Amino acid sequence: AQSVAQPEDQVNVAEGNPLTVKCTYSVSGNPYLFWYVQYPNRGLQFLLKYITGDNLVKGSYGFEAEFNKSQTSFHLKKPSALVSDSALYFCAVTFEDTGFQKLVFGTGTRLLVSP
Amino acid sequence: GAGVSQSPRYKVAKRGQDVALRCDPISGHVSLFWYQQALGQGPEFLTYFQNEAQLDKSGLPSDRFFAERPEGSVSTLKIQRTQQEDSAVYLCASSSTTGAYTEAFFGQGTRLTVV
Repeated sequence: AQSVAQPEDQVNVAEGNPLTVKCTYSVSGNPYLFWYVQYPNRGLQFLLKYITGDNLVKGSYGFEAEFNKSQTSFHLKKPSALVSDSALYFCAVTFEDTGFQKLVFGTGTRLLVSP
Repeated sequence: GAGVSQSPRYKVAKRGQDVALRCDPISGHVSLFWYQQALGQGPEFLTYFQNEAQLDKSGLPSDRFFAERPEGSVSTLKIQRTQQEDSAVYLCASSSTTGAYTEAFFGQGTRLTVV
């Protein structure tokens, strides 16, 4: 079955340190991968996506993610975390079987950045 | 409008009541999606519209769930005879194209509590 896994329920990092939020996927065929962020009382906001091309994609607010086909991973990274990055992060995938029309989400990872 | 708008933001229903949840997508967006997000989980796909056509309703959990988008803009998700397991946040998203290249924009969601 097509799926996305976010193995960490929560990631804690100190402000100014680099952060990584992990995501692995399982799909047949080529995946299109996304990261969304959810702040309290706000809708999901798009951060970045990988469709094809360069394995390192850059997105909003200084975030980037690296697509690794051999490890079936799409980890979210930021070189220097801010307290305001604290939120719930979701990895999602869409794939050819669905006509690329629906997203399959992971269970989310809560990022806590301490001052 | 500037973003995807959902109403009501909160809905409390007694078990057995019918509810209707409204989604106003971004003007001109062709694609519209409904997702269900249970507490502590990632969003799960319910249904997809391309203009007024409902192309995928594979995620609707039962025949008590019904969605429509009669004029290709506003959409309504209706749940008949609500049950406690229907309690969740219902998210609507829209995108400007029918392909996966364009990210979806999410509304803030409607939190449904069935008592």
